[in-house]
Formats: sequence, structure tokens, C-alpha cells
Amino acid sequence: QITLKESGPTLVKPTQTLTLTCTFSGFSVSTSGVGVGWIRQPPGKALEWLALIYWDDDRRYSPSLKSRLTITKDTSRNQVVLTMTNMDPVDTATYYCAHRHGYSYGSRDGYFDHWGQGTLVTVSS
Amino acid sequence: SYELTQPPSVSVSPGQTASITCSGDKLGDKYACWYQQKPGQSPVLVIYQDTKRPSGIPERFSGSNSGNTATLTISGTQAMDEADYFCQAWDSSNVVFGGGTKLTVL
Repeated sequence: QITLKESGPTLVKPTQTLTLTCTFSGFSVSTSGVGVGWIRQPPGKALEWLALIYWDDDRRYSPSLKSRLTITKDTSRNQVVLTMTNMDPVDTATYYCAHRHGYSYGSRDGYFDHWGQGTLVTVSS
Repeated sequence: SYELTQPPSVSVSPGQTASITCSGDKLGDKYACWYQQKPGQSPVLVIYQDTKRPSGIPERFSGSNSGNTATLTISGTQAMDEADYFCQAWDSSNVVFGGGTKLTVL
């Protein structure tokens, strides 16, 4: 059974750096084909993909946010960490991590078949 | 950048068929998937690889994808299907989500 859970601050100030941790079970991020992604959703708005890390440490970022994002993995702790710099009130959102399942073995596409519960991050002074 | 366009809202009567579209340039050449999100809950995958249903998703959910449009169809819509629905595809190595469609069952 795959589960994921996000953790991190609920409130950050403008210009600060946000660090979120996704702790998961039921799979290993070092297993060939595995990927873990981060997606956010501002209140009442659409989902927005942020970043994805693959089993081989390949990392992909949203082009519009690439300069502010870093995604890393800690295989021994079953964790994936996302950092986002220079936070702004428009970054207020629920942040989700999710397990990515590829369409074929080793592919760099796929779908998010398991999601965490999400964590609401508010950016305010 | 690649965009996926969905209608903001769709209404359907209970027991009828609901169709939610997702449009993107040559979307039919890519795989599309769909997520259902109810208020206060995380998204749930309901269709992947255009037409496949994950385990536990009712048979009334189906999908298609051709040309520039992917479609999520809910046959015999039930009140419990009222939710937001998001399509998703890939553009090169990037994940793209549609803007979401609010399905109202009335």
C-alpha cells in the first residue's frame, strides 16, 4: 500500500524559502521507474505541477518556476524534499506530493496514481 | 508553453451522461489522464492512458482521446460524482494540467 504525506511550515513570510518534505511508504524512490512529483493548488484554483524526481535522480521542473525550485530525494529516509525560494503571497496554496507511475517501463511520462493529503502553505507577513 | 483547455463548468441531471472535454494541440498524439477532486480532498485518478480505469473506479467513468480533444464521460451520473475534474498530459518532459471543470449534478 502506497501512502505519502507532506510536512512543512504552514506560514512563511514573503522572500523566505519554503522547504517541504514528502514522506512516503509502500515503494522506494530508488526502484527503477519510480518518480515522485510536487503539485500545488491555490485556493479555489487549478492544479499546477511544480517538480518531479525520478529513480535515477533525473529532475524536472516547471519552466515558469524552475529558477526557484529544487527537488531532492533521500532514499534511506523514504523522503523527497522540495525547496522554493523567494516566496510571495501568490504562492499561497495547498502543496501535494504524489507517486508517478510511468506509462511504460522506464518512461518519463505517466500519471499520478497516489497523492498525499496536501499541506496548506500561507505566505504572509 | 503547452496548454490544456477545459470548460469551467458542466451540468448534468442524475442518471444522464456527462461529458467533460480537454483540448490541446495534437492532444490525441499524447496520453491523457483525468483526476476527480471533491471539496477538501486530494485528487483521485479516474482515467489514465486515455481510456483505462484504475482499480476501484466505477465502470460509468470512461475516456477517449483523438485529434485535439480528450473526453471524460460519466454514464448514469450520480450525485456522488459532483466534483472538480482535471485533465493532465505531458509536453516533452513537463507535466501539464487543464484548468479544471466543475461538474454539477442537479
